Amino acid sequence: EVQLVESGGGLVQPGGSLRLSCAASGFTFSSYAMSWVRQAPGRGLEWVSAMSGSSSRTDYADSVKGRFTISRDNSKNTLYLQMNSLRAEDTAVYYCAKDGLSGRDLAYYLDYWGQGTLVTVSS
Amino acid sequence: DIVMTQSPDSLAVSLGERATINCKSSQSILYSSNNKNYLAWYQQRPGQPPRLLIYWASTRESGVPDRFSGSGSGTDFTLTISSLQAEDVAVYYCHQYYSPPYTFGQGTKLEIK
Repeated sequence: EVQLVESGGGLVQPGGSLRLSCAASGFTFSSYAMSWVRQAPGRGLEWVSAMSGSSSRTDYADSVKGRFTISRDNSKNTLYLQMNSLRAEDTAVYYCAKDGLSGRDLAYYLDYWGQGTLVTVSS
Repeated sequence: DIVMTQSPDSLAVSLGERATINCKSSQSILYSSNNKNYLAWYQQRPGQPPRLLIYWASTRESGVPDRFSGSGSGTDFTLTISSLQAEDVAVYYCHQYYSPPYTFGQGTKLEIK
């Protein structure tokens, strides 16, 4: 059974940093691109970042480019999102999601999602 | 960036009736080399993460009831629920994975009339 468990969310001040983790199990983690998608309270879904299974390719939304860094440790089956220079508008539930196709550098449709971790940016 | 626009923003349908949600992309998301539309649909029930329903615009994900269907090509797409059930109350999102930054529609809230 595929499982994705996010952690690392919490309350942080504007300008601060936070690192999210996503522990994956139930599939060959290194074979799949992974994504982070966020959802501000009461709002829709916003794709944030994606990384290929081999870590060779990363993509970012314009809203986080230069501030957020996606990474993964395939030996630990874990995806990360380092978030720096946080702003109030980064407040959201952050989901990690697994790609639906294996062996691709680009992200495709997302077939499994974690339950999410809440990040609140406020003074 | 490709902008995804859904219509309507909200929809109320009687139990057993058909529900139709539209999604329009600001440019074609049909990849000519494989003739595939890079479009997915997700369902998000209250308090839950999104659930994949449809990918490649019309391929139903395993375990998804056959009352859900997707259609369309190029820039115009439709999600149809043929006979609405109570458990279908949710927000539905389209998603393009044709090119980064990947983008979602704003969502359509589906309720029971």
